[in-house]
Amino acid sequence: DVQLVESGGGLVQPGGSLRLSCAASGFTFSSYWMSWVRQAPGKGLEWVANIILDGTEKYYVDSVKGRITMSRDNAKNSVYLHMNSLRAEDTAVYYCVRVQWVSNGFDYWGQGTMVTVSS
Amino acid sequence: ETVLTQSPDTLSLSPGERATLSCRASQYVDSNYLAWYQQKRGQAPRLLIYGASSRATGIPDRFSGSGSGTDFTLAISGLEPEDFAVYYCQQYGSSHWTFGQGTKVEIK
Repeated sequence: DVQLVESGGGLVQPGGSLRLSCAASGFTFSSYWMSWVRQAPGKGLEWVANIILDGTEKYYVDSVKGRITMSRDNAKNSVYLHMNSLRAEDTAVYYCVRVQWVSNGFDYWGQGTMVTVSS
Repeated sequence: ETVLTQSPDTLSLSPGERATLSCRASQYVDSNYLAWYQQKRGQAPRLLIYGASSRATGIPDRFSGSGSGTDFTLAISGLEPEDFAVYYCQQYGSSHWTFGQGTKVEIK
């Protein structure tokens, strides 16, 4: 079975940093793009970042460019989200998702990890 | 950036009724890259429909998607108790993804 397990969330002060991790299993990890999607409390879904198969190309929503970077380690079947200069508006549940080959839809989701940016 | 606007914001229906949810894009969307998701309270979203009209694995056939260009629809024929949830449309284009704001389907 496909599994995506996020970790690394927590409480951080404004301006601080955090690294989220996502461990994947149950599929050939190196054959899939991966993304992060977030959801602020009581709000809708927002795509945050995507990384292609070998990690050489990454794409970001404008609101996080320059502050958040995504990486992957195909040997460890893992993706990461490196978050710097965090703001209150980054407070959200962060989901790791697998990008489906055919449609670029998100066919598998992790359970999410909560990031709270507050003093 | 392609903005997706869903309507209505909330749909109040009874079990057994048909639900029709709309998703309108601010510019052309390739229907191959239009998806719908269901999210229940406290859970991660689940892919329902991809490519505008193809059901994802394990999705019952009471869920159907249609549309092209800038107008897309998700229909649920005969609402079951487990279908009351929030539904999001999503598009992919130019290496970016955007979601609609969501439609909540609630019990009347």
